[in-house]
Amino acid sequence: DGGITQSPKYLFRKEGQNVTLSCEQNLNHDAMYWYRQDPGQGLRLIYYSQIVNDFQKGDIAEGYSVSREKKESFPLTVTSAQKNPTAFYLCASSMGGGNQPQHFGDGTRLSIL
Amino acid sequence: AQSVTQLDSHVSVSEGTPVLLRCNYSSSYSPSLFWYVQHPNKGLQLLLKYTSAATLVKGINGFEAEFKKSETSFHLTKPSAHMSDAAEYFCVVAPTEGRRALTFGSGTRLQVQP
Repeated sequence: DGGITQSPKYLFRKEGQNVTLSCEQNLNHDAMYWYRQDPGQGLRLIYYSQIVNDFQKGDIAEGYSVSREKKESFPLTVTSAQKNPTAFYLCASSMGGGNQPQHFGDGTRLSIL
Repeated sequence: AQSVTQLDSHVSVSEGTPVLLRCNYSSSYSPSLFWYVQHPNKGLQLLLKYTSAATLVKGINGFEAEFKKSETSFHLTKPSAHMSDAAEYFCVVAPTEGRRALTFGSGTRLQVQP
């Protein structure tokens, strides 16, 4: 079945450590997105990519980095510069940008040790 | 600029009674609108979408939403709630220019009492 796979499901970060969240899709979608979700809040856009080797900052990109070397993959690195990384991270993809609905993975929950 | 406001952070209904989740939007152009559902510790699932065809949109699991341009609303309804409907619901507006990603409301948590 086609879909989006996020791994790991749970992740713990130590102080000063960078961690990378994986997102893979086999839907042949061009566009991919990373969102952060905090309790009682909607989703906030971190980064998005419309095409391979290109990506744009979203609303809360500080302390995060991404790469898009393959169409299927859009990993997110949470750097030590992100002082409050504890959150639920969701990856999504769509056929294109604009008004296309997005398909979501099941998320990664990141916590601080 | 575009935005979406979900008017209730929590809604509680009894099983078998109607569900109404309210959403107002702001957009410079005729928008595309979506409703998504999120169960605990899961990703979001698309319930339905409005893209300027029929103003009454039917979705999965018996949900539907009506686009009312005069009221800038896109409320989600279901005639009879099931226990499995308990979840978080998000109203979403698609971009019309510039920004090329969706804008999410803050969510409405639906509780269904037995």
